[in-house]
Amino acid sequence: SQQGEEDPQALSIQEGENATMNCSYKTSINNLQWYRQNSGRGLVHLILIRSNEREKHSGRLRVTLDTSKKSSSLLITASRAADTASYFCATVGAGSYQLTFGKGTKLSVIP
Amino acid sequence: DAGVIQSPRHEVTEMGQEVTLRCKPISGHDYLFWYRQTMMRGLELLIYFNNNVPIDDSGMPEDRFSAKMPNASFSTLKIQPSEPRDSAVYFCASNFFSNRGLTEAFFGQGTRLTVV
Repeated sequence: SQQGEEDPQALSIQEGENATMNCSYKTSINNLQWYRQNSGRGLVHLILIRSNEREKHSGRLRVTLDTSKKSSSLLITASRAADTASYFCATVGAGSYQLTFGKGTKLSVIP
Repeated sequence: DAGVIQSPRHEVTEMGQEVTLRCKPISGHDYLFWYRQTMMRGLELLIYFNNNVPIDDSGMPEDRFSAKMPNASFSTLKIQPSEPRDSAVYFCASNFFSNRGLTEAFFGQGTRLTVV
């Protein structure tokens, strides 16, 4: 069953703009992770945020986590055409040993 | 480390045939996961292992699916007999459990299975 649900399902922006993707989940988590998938390829881990953290940065990526609302957001600043991909959030439930993925947001960055 | 290695990358088979997908996880990782990805259902967890032992196979769709992990460096997912609705991309991923919980997963490139 899907734990995380991303929003929007698809996003199209111009190069240089910021892209924001949201993820909502249902149960208590140990951590939440964001992954990227280029067409026809495997998933690549981007960033992990733990339940006691509120914000994390990695390069042009910024992730926030609001456990009271059971939601997270991924912000990509100054987007590039190479950022075109699908982005997934995945949760590790409290006391769990598995990653449960949402259906993803398909991001298109137009040069 | 070369990462998680899956084989074959592509498999086309006829309905009713047996299909075996293979995975070599990253050395030192004690968790191995098999996922299936389709447009309709997204990424579904099929089964996962801890230290070569199957822990949760509740995602395996039917008895036609079976998975094994005979040692820490090899796992197989078998479908027998295969059906057209099994067509999907199958991913293997591995990670380890730290004192702070499950870490990030490393995915293989996937096996694209087409059953005709």
